[in-house]
Amino acid sequence: QQQVKQSPQSLIVQKGGISIINCAYENTAFDYFPWYQQFPGKGPALLIAIRPDVSEKKEGRFTISFNKSAKQFSLHIMDSQPGDSATYFCAASDPGNTGKLIFGQGTTLQVKP
Amino acid sequence: GAVVSQHPSRVICKSGTSVKIECRSLDFQATTMFWYRQFPKQSLMLMATSNEGSKATYEQGVEKDKFLINHASLTLSTLTVTSAHPEDSSFYICSARGSGAGNTIYFGEGSWLTVV
Repeated sequence: QQQVKQSPQSLIVQKGGISIINCAYENTAFDYFPWYQQFPGKGPALLIAIRPDVSEKKEGRFTISFNKSAKQFSLHIMDSQPGDSATYFCAASDPGNTGKLIFGQGTTLQVKP
Repeated sequence: GAVVSQHPSRVICKSGTSVKIECRSLDFQATTMFWYRQFPKQSLMLMATSNEGSKATYEQGVEKDKFLINHASLTLSTLTVTSAHPEDSSFYICSARGSGAGNTIYFGEGSWLTVV
């Protein structure tokens, strides 16, 4: 009930391509879905987030697509760049509104020049 | 965006000693702070939630006597690893949620702990 499942585990994309990372959740009470980017040895940085009343949110090259009925959401990175190479985590906010985040397993993205 | 600072960024300690890691919210008041642990190539595992002025709430399986958390002010939370052992070596990350920030959570840069 509390899990967030993320796929793929790793992803290799050519420069300029589109990177797509998917997440699925079970608890329909989750109300906040952020994506974090993490570089080696650094803490996660908030990339973009969405709430379930919106089906899509775009910020620059990053877009979240949200499918409430399927309980899935995905991150699309357009025009992927080598500098985007990092580990990406999706997360869902604890439905008790404590602010606790339940993280997906992470996706290591490598963008080849 | 909001800034959360952790100190130290790296620490090496001897087995059996204690080490303290600080987490500060620099430009907002953090009513709630969270401590995570991350092993290499793995996801973040929530250890505990701390609210200013009250005892921390630990996740199942986390020893509260070993990982002491104090949230004495709205801008500072500390994690003390007591009687550290090599298996406590890990990347410890804090995050903070402001009182007026909705559900936005900001993370610190993390602290690498190596116990030798």
